[in-house]
Amino acid sequence: DAGVTQSPTHLIKTRGQQVTLRCSPKSGHDTVSWYQQALGQGPQFIFQYYEEEERQRGNFPDRFSGHQFPNYSSELNVNALLLGDSALYLCASSLGLAGNIQYFGAGTRLSVL
Amino acid sequence: RKEVEQDPGPFNVPEGATVAFNCTYSNSASQSFFWYRQDCRKEPKLLMSVYSSGNEDGRFTAQLNRASQYISLLIRDSKLSDSATYLCVPKGSARQLTFGSGTQLTVLP
Repeated sequence: DAGVTQSPTHLIKTRGQQVTLRCSPKSGHDTVSWYQQALGQGPQFIFQYYEEEERQRGNFPDRFSGHQFPNYSSELNVNALLLGDSALYLCASSLGLAGNIQYFGAGTRLSVL
Repeated sequence: RKEVEQDPGPFNVPEGATVAFNCTYSNSASQSFFWYRQDCRKEPKLLMSVYSSGNEDGRFTAQLNRASQYISLLIRDSKLSDSATYLCVPKGSARQLTFGSGTQLTVLP
């Protein structure tokens, strides 16, 4: 039973560039949430996708956008990267919008230089 | 007041010790509570769910005090492998999880 998978595992970008991170949910799950975790902090909610639509959004600027595909996989895009975007980006999957339990992937560590 | 507050620690305890962490939350409508553990540079992994007054799973016990809006995690007979950061997550009607900053535990040999 495949868990949540994310790619790439590490990424180095420079300021102003754009990045795309990918996530495949746990088998049987249809909802994907994205979180940003800065060093020493808990994960911060970015947004959640269900049925290919953004259903909930946290306090992140429009530079952060996403997409969900018919097979439930998801992408997180960040434009005009800032140094402060350096963080671990975590994808979590769950079942349905009311699904309480979220399972996390290993994350993508993004460094912006 | 932050939505979720945790003592950041670090808690350094010897093997075999009992240790407890507290977590306070501000949303009185929170219905579900979760404790996740996160190893260094790894993803959070669900440790325990709490839907009523508490839950127990082996050496781990979570207790909920709705009146005072805090939840605690007790670890008995600590093992070296318990060393991690423990994240408290109260969940209300919102679909996203709101994490505390975590409590760092180091179990010493």
